[in-house]
Amino acid sequence: NAGVMQNPRHLVRRRGQEARLRCSPMKGHSHVYWYRQLPEEGLKFMVYLQKENIIDESGMPKERFSAEFPKEGPSILRIQQVVRGDSAAYFCASSPPATWAVQETQYFGPGTRLLVL
Amino acid sequence: KQEVTQIPAALSVPEGENLVLNCSFTDSAIYNLQWFRQDPGKGLTSLLLIQSSQREQTSGRLNASLDKSSGRSTLYIAASQPGDSATYLCAVRPVTGNQFYFGTGTSLTVIP
Repeated sequence: NAGVMQNPRHLVRRRGQEARLRCSPMKGHSHVYWYRQLPEEGLKFMVYLQKENIIDESGMPKERFSAEFPKEGPSILRIQQVVRGDSAAYFCASSPPATWAVQETQYFGPGTRLLVL
Repeated sequence: KQEVTQIPAALSVPEGENLVLNCSFTDSAIYNLQWFRQDPGKGLTSLLLIQSSQREQTSGRLNASLDKSSGRSTLYIAASQPGDSATYLCAVRPVTGNQFYFGTGTSLTVIP
């Protein structure tokens, strides 16, 4: 059973370009979470999605950032018109359908390291 | 809002020593607490998960304790090895909400 997969692992963009980060959850997992780790900072929650639904986007910047998890295919985190401050590691995590009101844990992917020049 | 703090930020010990990493959190209404390991340029590996009703969890040379009322957790590593060198992250899951709140980590170096 493959773990959470993210691609690309490294992404370089110039200011003003778009960045697309992909996350394929573990097999059988229908919940996806995106976190951002800025240099010298801890991981910060961005968004929680289920298939075709955004459940919680309280950590997403209001502008330029969007996320989706379509019925088919990976989850996509999209950053439009990137700026240098977007340079960070972006981690995706997944969890299986809840058997309780709250999921037990999340399984993390290797991350995508975005560098904005 | 939940705040998670980890002390120390960095720690360097000789091989074979026992060591303790500390994690504190401000809101005791947590569902669980988890310790992760992060190697440079890599993702997170789950080490131990403690439910709010539990006091400790053990796995091999690792032991994690939880004192929910005081908002503290410790990760004890016995007989440290150079392969233990990594950043150790503490994360709490609140009773309500879907995210983990992470500390900034303790960077551990075990010197051969």
